[in-house]
Amino acid sequence: SAVISQKPSRDICQRGTSLTIQCQVDSQVTMMFWYRQQPGQSLTLIATANQGSEATYESGFVIDKFPISRPNLTFSTLTVSNMSPEDSSIYLCSVEMGGGANVLTFGAGSRLTVL
Amino acid sequence: GDSVTQMEGPVTLSEEAFLTINCTYTATGYPSLFWYVQYPGEGLQLLLKATKADDKGSNKGFEATYRKETTSFHLEKGSVQVSDSAVYFCALKDSSYKLIFGSGTRLLVRP
Repeated sequence: SAVISQKPSRDICQRGTSLTIQCQVDSQVTMMFWYRQQPGQSLTLIATANQGSEATYESGFVIDKFPISRPNLTFSTLTVSNMSPEDSSIYLCSVEMGGGANVLTFGAGSRLTVL
Repeated sequence: GDSVTQMEGPVTLSEEAFLTINCTYTATGYPSLFWYVQYPGEGLQLLLKATKADDKGSNKGFEATYRKETTSFHLEKGSVQVSDSAVYFCALKDSSYKLIFGSGTRLLVRP
């Protein structure tokens, strides 16, 4: 299975600032996703990162708040813009290898705390 | 829409006790079902999966059987260890790309 590296692993941010999270995969993958895990909650899909085109956002998430890039098949970034304390969460990158595997592999996550 | 319901935690057990974490689902099609585990400070790891009715997924002593008639995918282990302490997520994936998670169940195993 793929090995996913996320950076930063954790950060403390000030209200109103923006932070970009990087996701690097050790092999080319078909699908890349970004999830959010709010404190004590389950995971919610933010968007699908599409290579070479705009990300596909789920209901309740917008590009202005969570811009995503995916310049190639092994790398993606998620930016959390104009942060507020409500954005304090773990953000996880996830990939699906394709080929009918039908299994998602997750990175270790980036834990953001917004003061 | 599709959804997953898990029993609320935390579940506290003594080492070597039997574990059951209940999971039921609602889906219009024939989803694949998964259990993921999240150890403290780590990301999610796939524990086991089942892709069709009556399939049994198993890994590391954990088992779960895809029961279409009861729309359930309960996680079981005959003898838990302290190292099994983690949060367990039940999830489903239908024909779309989206993985839908339950709320998670925290398991604490005491020596």
